[in-house]
Amino acid sequence: AQSVSQHNHHVILSEAASLELGCNYSYGGTVNLFWYVQYPGQHLQLLLKYFSGDPLVKGIKGFEAEFIKSKFSFNLRKPSVQWSDTAEYFCAGYNTDKLIFGTGTRLQVFP
Amino acid sequence: DGGITQSPKYLFRKEGQNVTLSCEQNLNHDAMYWYRQDPGQGLRLIYYSQIVNDFQKGDIAEGYSVSREKKESFPLTVTSAQKNPTAFYLCASSGRLESGTDTQYFGPGTRLTVL
Repeated sequence: AQSVSQHNHHVILSEAASLELGCNYSYGGTVNLFWYVQYPGQHLQLLLKYFSGDPLVKGIKGFEAEFIKSKFSFNLRKPSVQWSDTAEYFCAGYNTDKLIFGTGTRLQVFP
Repeated sequence: DGGITQSPKYLFRKEGQNVTLSCEQNLNHDAMYWYRQDPGQGLRLIYYSQIVNDFQKGDIAEGYSVSREKKESFPLTVTSAQKNPTAFYLCASSGRLESGTDTQYFGPGTRLTVL
């Protein structure tokens, strides 16, 4: 069955630490991948997306993700996190006309 | 001011009652979606609609119903048949690309609590 997996369920970092959140997908065909973020009390927002072209995608707030086809991965990275990055992060991918979400990663950043 | 609105923000209902959650978009998107969010489970698709007067079941449609009479509106009814309805419900919409479906944009959500 098609799926999107996030293996880091809860990540705790200090400010200025580097971040990498894992995302793996298990379906074939056209690959459209997304990272969404949900800040406390706010609605889901798009961080970045990959449809085609350059596999290194840059998003908002200094985030980037790299699509590695051979590893079926689309990991999210940020070189230096801030307290304001505390949120829940969701990886998602399209399977025909349905978006499949991972279970989410809760990131806590301490000053 | 374009976007997706959901109402109400918080909703309480007694067991055995049906309740309808509103979702409206003014983005001129063809497709609309309903998701349920539970802690540790991510977002699960309830129903989706690619075009007016047509909709399809998602992964967890049992106990829910929808209608799509207008392009901008996609209400979700949580029926008394839904065994565990307490959850956070998210509505989304997206445009269409030649290569497939475009990015989904989300509303602020409705938190439903069954008492």
